[in-house]
Amino acid sequence: AQSVAQPEDQVNVAEGNPLTVKCTYSVSGNPYLFWYVQYPNRGLQFLLKYITGDNLVKGSYGFEAEFNKSQTSFHLKKPSALVSDSALYFCAVRDPYNTDKLIFGTGTRLQVFP
Amino acid sequence: DSGVTQTPKHLITATGQRVTLRCSPRSGDLSVYWYQQSLDQGLQFLIQYYNGEERAKGNILERFSAQQFPDLHSELNLSSLELGDSALYFCASSAAGDIQYFGAGTRLSVL
Repeated sequence: AQSVAQPEDQVNVAEGNPLTVKCTYSVSGNPYLFWYVQYPNRGLQFLLKYITGDNLVKGSYGFEAEFNKSQTSFHLKKPSALVSDSALYFCAVRDPYNTDKLIFGTGTRLQVFP
Repeated sequence: DSGVTQTPKHLITATGQRVTLRCSPRSGDLSVYWYQQSLDQGLQFLIQYYNGEERAKGNILERFSAQQFPDLHSELNLSSLELGDSALYFCASSAAGDIQYFGAGTRLSVL
């Protein structure tokens, strides 16, 4: 079965510092991986996806993610964090064997301090 | 704005009642997905429709049902509500298995 794990419930980082939000996956076949962000009282916003190609994927708001097949990881990164990046981040894998539903991780709350 | 519209934003109701949540997908998207977000279960897939037909079921209770209409909007019906059904319900739409775009959600409170 397809699954993703987000090992950290919360990540704290100072504004201007680089940030990393971790995600590992378990899939059979090629992984289709996504990152979404959820701000308070809002829906999930798509950040980026990995289907195939370059291991470094660039997305919205200056975020990028690094796909690592050997470590089965898809960590979200940003070189310089902003206070406004504080939100809940979800990693997800698409299940191509079951009509493309998304399977989400448990989420990581990112707190960026001024 | 994702282009996916969900109404209402908030619903407060009592146990045993029935409610209907509505979703209008992005223009041109044929697939609609429903997800439930709760503190204890996280984000869980409920059901998917594609061009009016049910395509997949996830962790959806028998008390819950959904449909997609010819104009592609979808409704999620929740009946015999229990306290544990209190959650955020999201609708998402996509074009042919591509990126899923989410609505702002409906927050259901069962008292």
